[in-house]
Amino acid sequence: GAVVSQHPSRVICKSGTSVKIECRSLDFQATTMFWYRQFPKQSLMLMATSNEGSKATYEQGVEKDKFLINHASLTLSTLTVTSAHPEDSSFYICSARDYRQGSREQYFGPGTRLTVT
Amino acid sequence: AQSVTQPDIHITVSEGASLELRCNYSYGATPYLFWYVQSPGQGLQLLLKYFSGDTLVQGIKGFEAEFKRSQSSFNLRKPSVHWSDAAEYFCAVGSASSGDKVIFGPGTSLSVIP
Repeated sequence: GAVVSQHPSRVICKSGTSVKIECRSLDFQATTMFWYRQFPKQSLMLMATSNEGSKATYEQGVEKDKFLINHASLTLSTLTVTSAHPEDSSFYICSARDYRQGSREQYFGPGTRLTVT
Repeated sequence: AQSVTQPDIHITVSEGASLELRCNYSYGATPYLFWYVQSPGQGLQLLLKYFSGDTLVQGIKGFEAEFKRSQSSFNLRKPSVHWSDAAEYFCAVGSASSGDKVIFGPGTSLSVIP
C-alpha cells in the first residue's frame, strides 16, 4: 500500500525560530499533497494544498508568509513555520493523493508534533 | 459552503453494545466519504471509504457505514464494541470538483465502559 512519511515526528523550537517539516510519499508519486493542523482535542483543519511545480493554495485565514510550502519534487513537500510562536504549537499532518489508476484516495502521514517554547 | 457535521461530541457505550456514530455533510457536488479513527497522540487510521457503488461499505475492525444520499449522511456502525475501540472518530468528505480537498468533521469521542 501507499505510504507517507513525515520528518521529524516531534520537534521543539524556541520562539522566533523557523522549523521545517518534511512530507514524503515513499512508494508513489504525488503531484498534490495537503497540509493539515490539529490542535489538542480538535479536528484536522486543512491549511493548504501543495502542488508540485507550482505555488501552494492556502485556505482562508492561513498566513502564506508564515507557513511556507514547497513541493520540490513528486515525492516531497515541505512546510516551514517561520518565526514560530507558542500559538503555532500543534500537530501537523500531511496527506498525499495516489493518482495511480485514477484513485482518489489520500494517504496520511503519521504527523509532526511541534512545540514552540 | 461545504461542511461536515458530527452531531455527537462524545458517546459512551458499554462493551459488547452496538454503536452508531452520525455524520452529515453539505456538499454541492457528488462527494466521497471516509471514516478515520485516531487514538490519543497518534495519527489517523482509515476505517472505511466510499467513492461509488454499493452504499453499504465494510471496513476494518468490524465497522461498516451506509451512504444515504437523500439524507446526506454517512453513519458509522459496529454491532459489538470492544474496549479497544475507545478513540476519536472523524468523518471526512471530499470531492473531485473541490480539487480532492478533504474536509474533516469535528469528531466524536468514544468511551467504552467495561
